[in-house]
Amino acid sequence: KAGVTQTPRYLIKTRGQQVTLSCSPISGHRSVSWYQQTPGQGLQFLFEYFSETQRNKGNFPGRFSGRQFANSRSEMNVSTLELGDSALYLCASSVDRATSMNSPLHFGNGTRLTVT
Amino acid sequence: GQQLNQSPQSMFIQEGEDVSMNCTSSSIFNTWLWYKQDPGEGPVLLIALYKAGELTSNGRLTAQFGITRKDSFLNISASIPSDVGIYFCAGRKTGANSKLTFGKGITLSVRP
Repeated sequence: KAGVTQTPRYLIKTRGQQVTLSCSPISGHRSVSWYQQTPGQGLQFLFEYFSETQRNKGNFPGRFSGRQFANSRSEMNVSTLELGDSALYLCASSVDRATSMNSPLHFGNGTRLTVT
Repeated sequence: GQQLNQSPQSMFIQEGEDVSMNCTSSSIFNTWLWYKQDPGEGPVLLIALYKAGELTSNGRLTAQFGITRKDSFLNISASIPSDVGIYFCAGRKTGANSKLTFGKGITLSVRP
């Protein structure tokens, strides 16, 4: 069974640009969550999508947005990039809502975004 | 926000030794998860705990859900070089908007 797939693995963008990251969950998983990982802050929750609807949101500005498609694939978009957006962006999928018991998150290998 | 405390930030052990890590919080959690992250990869789920007092093993790894529901422990026995990595604890409360909260991780180094 294929794991969570994130593309691209690496991205370099300049300040002010926008970027779209893609995530394909494990087959049969209906929930996709996004996390930002930085050395200083650790893993910070961005949002969760389930059945094409955002179900939960972390404390990030509106420049961070996402969506989920009918096949459960998800995309995350960051507009007007800032230097501080440089991070590893991780996508995780779970069978059911991420808030459900017995529905642990399974992570992809992330997209490393560098903003210059 | 909710905080999960993992300390120390780094641990250095000799191959073959056992090591114990803990994760504490001031809040009660209903699920505890332990993940390991290798360089350049995403976190991989090691053990999931769903009940206070639960003790679960996965090979050389054993984790426990604290009876106060405010802490969890991970033990690695007979460490080997491939145990090197960052170990994260994560906790979750029940509820429609409860999200998984992660500790900042412990970097484990194993000297051969």
